[in-house]
Amino acid sequence: EAGVAQSPRYKIIEKRQSVAFWCNPISGHATLYWYQQILGQGPKLLIQFQNNGVVDDSQLPKDRFSAERLKGVDSTLKIQPAKLEDSAVYLCASSPRAGGGNEQFFGPGTRLTVL
Amino acid sequence: QKEVEQDPGPLSVPEGAIVSLNCTYSNSAFQYFMWYRQYSRKGPELLMYTYSSGNKEDGRFTAQVDKSSKYISLFIRDSQPSDSATYLCAMSAYGGSQGNLIFGKGTKLSVKP
Repeated sequence: EAGVAQSPRYKIIEKRQSVAFWCNPISGHATLYWYQQILGQGPKLLIQFQNNGVVDDSQLPKDRFSAERLKGVDSTLKIQPAKLEDSAVYLCASSPRAGGGNEQFFGPGTRLTVL
Repeated sequence: QKEVEQDPGPLSVPEGAIVSLNCTYSNSAFQYFMWYRQYSRKGPELLMYTYSSGNKEDGRFTAQVDKSSKYISLFIRDSQPSDSATYLCAMSAYGGSQGNLIFGKGTKLSVKP
C-alpha cells in the first residue's frame, strides 16, 4: 500500500512570496490533515478535511494560509504572502475515519525555509 | 500551562538499556494516547496506541497511561541504535472538534552502540 505522498520535499523562498504544497493521501482515506511542525516542536494541526469538506480550521492563519481538497482526494496548502515565522516542516496525514482517536498516517513533509 | 508537556531531552543511553519516556497533560477529556516515532527528515509513524488507562505491550515497547495522574509513559527494553529518533506523545479527546491530536514537543533519543 502506497503511503502519503507530498511534494515538493524542500522549498526556499523570500518573505512576501507565495508557495504551495501538494499532498496525495493513502487511497480510500476520507480524512486528511495538514500540520505545521516548527523545529524543536511537535506537529500543530492547521486544518482537517473530511472528504472535501473542512472539519476544523480553527488554527489556520486565514489571512495568509489557504487549503483545498478538490474531489475529496488530493489537497493543496498555500501560503501567501509568506513570513519568516512560517519556516517549518508542513506535514500531511490521512486517516480512514475522522476523529483524533484514529491512527493517522503521515507523509515525509515539505521543509519550507523563508528568507 | 501547555496542554501536553514533554521533556525534549536529548536523552543518550547505551545499547541494551531500558529507556523511559514520559508526558504529562492537563486536559482531563483526553482518552486516546499515542506514541509516534520520528526519524530525522521523516514524518511521524505510530508506535503505540492506548485507549483510556492501562498498559499495552508490543515487542520491546510498553505504553502506560495513568489518567488519575495525567501521566503517560513509553518504555523501550533492550534499546538498539535503530531506536535513535525523536519520540512524540500525542493525545486526543473523543470525537468532534476535540478529536484532533495534540502533540508534545518530542524527546530526542540517541542509543549508542
